[in-house]
Amino acid sequence: SAVISQKPSRDICQRGTSLTIQCQVDSQVTMMFWYRQQPGQSLTLIATANQGSEATYESGFVIDKFPISRPNLTFSTLTVSNMSPEDSSIYLCSVEARGGEVYNEQFFGPGTRLTVL
Amino acid sequence: EDQVTQSPEALRLQEGESSSLNCSYTVSGLRGLFWYRQDPGKGPEFLFTLYSAGEEKEKERLKATLTKKESFLHITAPKPEDSATYLCAVHDSWGKLQFGAGTQVVVTP
Repeated sequence: SAVISQKPSRDICQRGTSLTIQCQVDSQVTMMFWYRQQPGQSLTLIATANQGSEATYESGFVIDKFPISRPNLTFSTLTVSNMSPEDSSIYLCSVEARGGEVYNEQFFGPGTRLTVL
Repeated sequence: EDQVTQSPEALRLQEGESSSLNCSYTVSGLRGLFWYRQDPGKGPEFLFTLYSAGEEKEKERLKATLTKKESFLHITAPKPEDSATYLCAVHDSWGKLQFGAGTQVVVTP
C-alpha cells in the first residue's frame, strides 16, 4: 500500500480566488490521480497526473480551471482556479501502487474539503 | 457503455444483523473490481480487489464475492463501527477506475 497525505485538509475560500492542494506520497509512483467528490455524490475523476508530461483531463474538466503539476514521482498539486460555490467539494488525491496480484491497486489520500463562499 | 450500479442506496441494520450489498457492473474485459469503505469527510479506504468470477476475499466481518456480472459485500454480525459508505469500483475499458454511487450503511446498537 501507499501512505498519502494532503494539504490543506480543509479550507474556506472566497469566490474568485484560487486554492492549491498538495499531495505527497511515501513512495515513488507512476500514476497519480485527482478526484472530486461533490456533497452526497460518488467520486469523479478530474485528471491523471503524469510525471514529466502534461496531465490528462477527463471530459468536463479543463487545464485552465484545474491546473496540475507533477514535478516528481512522489508529489503533485491541483489548483482550483477562479472558484465559485459550485466548486465546493472534497478533492482527493489517489495513486496506483504495486500491491495487487495482477493489476495495481489504487489508494486514496484523506481528502481536502473545500467550501467556497 | 461501462457502468457500475450499487444497491441498496442505504441500509440500516441492527447490531448483529447480517446483510449483503450488491454491485452490478457492465464492462468489457474486467480488469479488477474494488471495494472501498468511506467514512464521512475522509478518503476511501481500500478493502478488497477481486479479479475473476468465483473469487472470494475476507477481512474481519466483511466478505466480498464476485460473479461475471456482479459482486456482493457480505457483512456478518455487524457492529456500529462498520457504519460507513461502501463504494464499489471497476477498471473500465480505458483502465480508469469507475465508481458506483455507494451504499450508506448504518449499524445501530
